[in-house]
Amino acid sequence: AQSVTQLGSHVSVSEGALVLLRCNYSSSVPPYLFWYVQYPNQGLQLLLKYTSAATLVKGINGFEAEFKKSETSFHLTKPSAHMSDAAEYFCAVSDPYSGGGADGLTFGKGTHLIIQP
Amino acid sequence: KAGVTQTPRYLIKTRGQQVTLSCSPISGHRSVSWYQQTPGQGLQFLFEYFSETQRNKGNFPGRFSGRQFSNSRSEMNVSTLELGDSALYLCASSLTGKNTEAFFGQGTRLTVV
Repeated sequence: AQSVTQLGSHVSVSEGALVLLRCNYSSSVPPYLFWYVQYPNQGLQLLLKYTSAATLVKGINGFEAEFKKSETSFHLTKPSAHMSDAAEYFCAVSDPYSGGGADGLTFGKGTHLIIQP
Repeated sequence: KAGVTQTPRYLIKTRGQQVTLSCSPISGHRSVSWYQQTPGQGLQFLFEYFSETQRNKGNFPGRFSGRQFSNSRSEMNVSTLELGDSALYLCASSLTGKNTEAFFGQGTRLTVV
């Protein structure tokens, strides 16, 4: 069974400051990992994904995440926050042997990112 | 290209009724998955369809069902609605499901009163 834990249901940062959203996973097999963003009344948009290639993954909108197997973590970062980054962020894991796409993603509870002017 | 289209966007139903939600995937995508999103439980996987066959299923009661048509469009049905079924239902499409990127629709907001 897989699970995802996102530390902090709400994270507040100042505009221009570093964004760090934490994600830890549990998986019995080497996982595929994803970060999605959701704006109000919208669906989910894929920010980036780790699929066992490079451990540092670059995504859209200046976000990146690093896969650390020893820490079972996949934290999301952005060097400088913009007001437009305010949204809900979800970390997700899947078993590449049975899925990896849309079938059977396990999501974390989400982190609401607040940007202070 | 057009994205994933879910209809209707908003729906209000009464307890005990049934409801059908529709999802049109991106052209060429053959896999469609459904998720339920609630404040308490977060995002939970309902089921996935590929080439008109249910290939994967989450842990939901039998009141939740779905199907996929030959053009890959999918519907999900919830019978005997309960208050707890109030949620945002999201549909995601991908080329084949396995190891291919998922694109989500805007969702259908279902309110059960």
